[in-house]
Amino acid sequence: IVMTQSPATLSVSPGERATLSCRASQSVSSNLAWYQQKPGQAPRLLIYGASARATGIPARFSGSGSGTEFTLTISSLQSEDFAIYYCQHYNNWPYTFGQGTKLEIK
Amino acid sequence: QVQLQESGPGLVKPSETLSLTCAVSGGSVTSSYWSWIRQPPGKGLECIGYIYYTGITIYNPSLKSRVTISLDTSKNQLSLRLNSVTAADTAVYYCASGYENFDFWGQGTLVTVSS
Repeated sequence: IVMTQSPATLSVSPGERATLSCRASQSVSSNLAWYQQKPGQAPRLLIYGASARATGIPARFSGSGSGTEFTLTISSLQSEDFAIYYCQHYNNWPYTFGQGTKLEIK
Repeated sequence: QVQLQESGPGLVKPSETLSLTCAVSGGSVTSSYWSWIRQPPGKGLECIGYIYYTGITIYNPSLKSRVTISLDTSKNQLSLRLNSVTAADTAVYYCASGYENFDFWGQGTLVTVSS
């Protein structure tokens, strides 16, 4: 299954809303996770089951979608949110990641 | 909280074997599934495979003939071996807990394949 993220780069001002998209080449049901990765760090799990926040993840992060279309929304961007975001399906093996969306400061 | 720490050679010659270990603390390797994931420099993430202490091991078909993942319960660690490496295997290698989604990760270790 190929995961396609858009846009490749998103420029948003602090305090504004960011919407990141992920599309699967075939249905993955709700078996989708989102990760945040900062330079030199391992990815951090944000969302699993398409919409459930992982432990300790702030409420400004929300996920939605099912089937082939998914969205990660960050409601009010904080300085620490500027990073690369990856989606990953786990519907059937091998699980695959999208190529990432870089969220940068506008 | 579970902590993971990868270790191993940072440089491997082409055609040789890449060997890494991942020490687990704050939890037992018998309590979860464990995965290896890699990320070539500047690129995306790839699931290599995962293991459960009962002996279940699942590998990415793209690597299946070259990869072995194992657990050492006495040392509370997991290991990765990748045979016949090429420059395409140059990547940061991560161990992580879980097998569907990954909630705890090591910091990663860069392995460069070069003569």
